[in-house]
Amino acid sequence: GAGVSQSPRYKVAKRGQDVALRCDPISGHVSLFWYQQALGQGPEFLTYFQNEAQLDKSGLPSDRFFAERPEGSVSTLKIQRTQQEDSAVYLCASTTGVAGASGANVLTFGAGSRLTVL
Amino acid sequence: AQSVAQPEDQVNVAEGNPLTVKCTYSVSGNPYLFWYVQYPNRGLQFLLKYITGDNLVKGSYGFEAEFNKSQTSFHLKKPSALVSDSALYFCAVRDETGGSYIPTFGRGTSLIVHP
Repeated sequence: GAGVSQSPRYKVAKRGQDVALRCDPISGHVSLFWYQQALGQGPEFLTYFQNEAQLDKSGLPSDRFFAERPEGSVSTLKIQRTQQEDSAVYLCASTTGVAGASGANVLTFGAGSRLTVL
Repeated sequence: AQSVAQPEDQVNVAEGNPLTVKCTYSVSGNPYLFWYVQYPNRGLQFLLKYITGDNLVKGSYGFEAEFNKSQTSFHLKKPSALVSDSALYFCAVRDETGGSYIPTFGRGTSLIVHP
């Protein structure tokens, strides 16, 4: 597609519910990142995929957070048993190159999924 | 470890005046530096980057940034601000020699340009 598409744009969940957030990266982009952006804060790294391989999940805040990219394109971020502190905008970004390769990779971001946990 | 600081939560400037949004960074190796802009309900959009070479980098919409290694800074500048420049600006860094491939973002600076 023309850009990175995220759905849903807005999600309201009751505490304890499971949620799934979808990211459609730009076609052919190898690298995919998930970031969490709390209100008034900058994006915080969650996890990174190179094709279908999850190479870094060091930023996932707890084992309630799980991400996958089974075919190397669409990715899903799943949050189990949501808590109020999970309320944030979840940003997905993709880039053509392999992160860490020579040259600086410019990320293309989606508009984000705003999660509100009541 | 890599980190970036944006010391100002908000910058106010009159339209037509020059603007500066400050960013300082910390890396153990060589920095790759980025500026992104975020408009309401939109994702972050790339403005410019520094990899190596000329310390003055020119980017989109008339923005430029100056890399200063001794001061570990990468301030964003524009000679003449527009009301439409009002947005959130994020500085990001990646340590090219430190082995990290994940960009770290600052907390953002809200730029408000008054007519």
